[in-house]
Formats: sequence, C-alpha cells, structure tokens
Amino acid sequence: DAGITQSPRHKVTETGTPVTLRCHQTENHRYMYWYRQDPGHGLRLIHYSYGVKDTDKGEVSDGYSVSRSKTEDFLLTLESATSSQTSVYFCAISEKSDYGYTFGSGTRLTVV
Amino acid sequence: EDQVTQSPEALRLQEGESSSLNCSYTVSGLRGLFWYRQDPGKGPEFLFTLYSAGEEKEKERLKATLTKKESFLHITAPKPEDSATYLCAVQSTSGTYKYIFGTGTRLKVLA
Repeated sequence: DAGITQSPRHKVTETGTPVTLRCHQTENHRYMYWYRQDPGHGLRLIHYSYGVKDTDKGEVSDGYSVSRSKTEDFLLTLESATSSQTSVYFCAISEKSDYGYTFGSGTRLTVV
Repeated sequence: EDQVTQSPEALRLQEGESSSLNCSYTVSGLRGLFWYRQDPGKGPEFLFTLYSAGEEKEKERLKATLTKKESFLHITAPKPEDSATYLCAVQSTSGTYKYIFGTGTRLKVLA
C-alpha cells in the first residue's frame, strides 16, 4: 500500500525463537498500530504508538513488545515465538486517532 | 463491554442485485464507526467514517448509514469487482485510540 510497507511478507520460524516484524511509513503520521488477524476473531490490536517512544498495549499484547525510535518505523517483536502466534500481522497508520487507518499488506507468520 | 456484530457472515448476490450489510454495535459512547473493504491476501482498505446518528456517506455503489445502534452498508447494483470482505469497526469514547472490529461479511457477486 502506498506510504506503508511491512517486512517480511512471509516468515516461517521455529517455536522459541525471537522474531521481529517491521513497519515503515512515509506519510509522517503520528499514530501506528499492530494488529493480528485470525479466522473467527477478526482484527485484534496488539500494540499501538502515539508518537516516537510513546507506545501502549492493546487487547492481545502478551508475548509481544514494540519499539518506535523514529516516526517512520514501528517494530513488533515476538520475544519467544509460540504456535499460537501463527497469524497474519497488519500494521496500520493514521494521521489522527479518530481518522480511518491505512493498512499495510500484512506479514504471514507461521510458527512451527 | 463494547461489542461489534456483523451480519450476515457471508452473502452471495447476482450482479445488479442490491442488498445491505449490517453492523450492530454496543459501546458506552460512540466516537466513530468505520467501514473497510478487504480483498484476499491484502490489508483492509478504508471506505467511510461515520460520527453521528443520521449521517450518511457514499462512494460509487456503496452507501453507509448510521443509527444509534447499527450501521448499514448498502450496495446498489453490485458488480463482481465488489466481491470482498467488508469490515466494520467502532471507536468508543472510553477507549483511547482503540478500534473494535467485527468479524466481517464476505460478499460474493456473481456475474
């Protein structure tokens, strides 16, 4: 999607290994979000950021951490991957907190 | 507890057959209601934001409406390219920055 890129697009990793997903934006938007999407659950918020070094937890934050050292980059880290973290991960950005979001194309993560 | 329910889960329409998708919500206070379209293998694409009951938004064959308890996404004379999953999300005045997403309606438009 224009202005927001996620990497990698696909990843297979082993249980217990650390994994970092990257979200990069060129829109200079203040707000950034990490979601996971699973069948039957819809999109669920993991963590979000409302500025550089300002982050907070979402509804499914256990086992995940984030960092935002620059406006354009928001990293999601799985400290020790588990099979329950197999999912599609989406990053999103917004200019203001009550505006619509622009989503990235997603990262499909498989933990084996 | 804030909640969003979308219906139906899946819908098959013939090309040109108009219909509506429903999004029912329960929130302590509505800050905004959002509609997104999601194609397979892609991220959701923003369609509309509605902020208050009675508000309507239109885009091509799509029209979104809002009441105090639900929102409808009306699709007029759909085409096969309208096939997608349509997601509804609400933002509560009590939940800073946080959306609550419904599980979506999978729409298939047959030629």
